[in-house]
Amino acid sequence: ETGVTQTPRHLVMGMTNKKSLKCEQHLGHNAMYWYKQSAKKPLELMFVYSLEERVENNSVPSRFSPECPNSSHLFLHLHTLQPEDSALYLCASSQEVGGRPQHFGDGTRLSIL
Amino acid sequence: QKEVEQNSGPLSVPEGAIASLNCTYSDRGSQSFFWYRQYSGKSPELIMFIYSNGDKEDGRFTAQLNKASQYVSLLIRDSQPSDSATYLCAVNIELNSGNTPLVFGKGTRLSVIA
Repeated sequence: ETGVTQTPRHLVMGMTNKKSLKCEQHLGHNAMYWYKQSAKKPLELMFVYSLEERVENNSVPSRFSPECPNSSHLFLHLHTLQPEDSALYLCASSQEVGGRPQHFGDGTRLSIL
Repeated sequence: QKEVEQNSGPLSVPEGAIASLNCTYSDRGSQSFFWYRQYSGKSPELIMFIYSNGDKEDGRFTAQLNKASQYVSLLIRDSQPSDSATYLCAVNIELNSGNTPLVFGKGTRLSVIA
């Protein structure tokens, strides 16, 4: 496999459920990112990891919990989400944080019932 | 708040024409500028990046950067219906933390009419 892989591609969950999104990159990059993309809004940066250390939390509610066990894997743990959290969640990676091209996965389309 | 601004469009151009997409940014210290293409229901795909003032050409695409005026543009020559997509401008912005991740504009929707 090459590039950035995200699973699942689609997820429907109730507000009381707990689920996790997974991202894996095969590019040898040191930085990984989570973005949220809602209709008619720009891509919103959520979290930034550099060499497994979280370097940026862009005022994201605590119901979103990221985890980066190594430089190739990134998770986003979800619990007690709200309907407004329905969106496309995109993972990206880059060689390093700070002005390098980012490569995106295909995203997870999340729907909260 | 540091921002990246784009006209949301839609921008409609006839097939074979030049499409011109513009982007302005607020952080004078930005050094890296990117254009991504996003088809409906798909993830963003990098098509161009530019770091220096002036023009950079790659096939039918030309990126233009003017740091003094804080704008970056993308020209698409000989536009094709397959170019119809949303084009996202991304700029590295320095956050309060000192980190400089990419910040994206809302995107401009381009429609190429056959």
